[in-house]
Amino acid sequence: QSALTQPASVSGSPGQSITISCTGTSSDVGSYNLVSWYQQHPGKAPKLMIYEVSKRPSGVSNRFSGSKSGNTASLTISGLQAEDEADYYCCSYAGSSTPWVFGGGTKLTVL
Amino acid sequence: EVQLVESGGGLVKPGGSLRLSCAASGFTFSNAWMSWVRQAPGKGLEWVGRIKSKTDGGTTDYAAPVKGRFTISRDDSKNTLYLQMNSLKTEDTAVYYCSREAIAVAGFDYWGQGTLVTVSS
Repeated sequence: QSALTQPASVSGSPGQSITISCTGTSSDVGSYNLVSWYQQHPGKAPKLMIYEVSKRPSGVSNRFSGSKSGNTASLTISGLQAEDEADYYCCSYAGSSTPWVFGGGTKLTVL
Repeated sequence: EVQLVESGGGLVKPGGSLRLSCAASGFTFSNAWMSWVRQAPGKGLEWVGRIKSKTDGGTTDYAAPVKGRFTISRDDSKNTLYLQMNSLKTEDTAVYYCSREAIAVAGFDYWGQGTLVTVSS
């Protein structure tokens, strides 16, 4: 099972919106609405930000939103803030034998 | 408050073995599906494997790179998850996180702080 494809880096200015893509295949992202997104600050554990493509856990800002089209999922962060600067990882269900596959990660820089 | 605390990491030679533990609290551990996820230095997250709750069969699944070398187990009486790693390779060097795989969110809703495993001669 290959890792999902994410851009290595994205950047934006405070207040702007950015979108991070996550491209998989018809065996993972394209087959299941079970894509999640994780935020990871340096030296910290990942934090769940989005699950089931577009749902937010309690306590996550509504500036974070998710979507999916075909084999590509996307995370959009609106109204960028300095504290959003972190690494972001997508993850998709990929079937019963090897259930989870992560993306390679995207470093978000807030300019 | 949910807490996951990993331990057992350290330096081991190639071909050696190591057992990691993850102590859980703040939720009903016996009902939880638990996963191990690792992160090599400067690299991304990689799912390692998981164990289902005994109610759901207690079965395990593993990623291809570790299948046959790593074994996940659990002791529900001690609220503890284990990862037995054998035949370690240099490419197994990583921070190992335990996480709760929440069916309700189809993802990993709680994570430990991680424990570093270094495989080097």
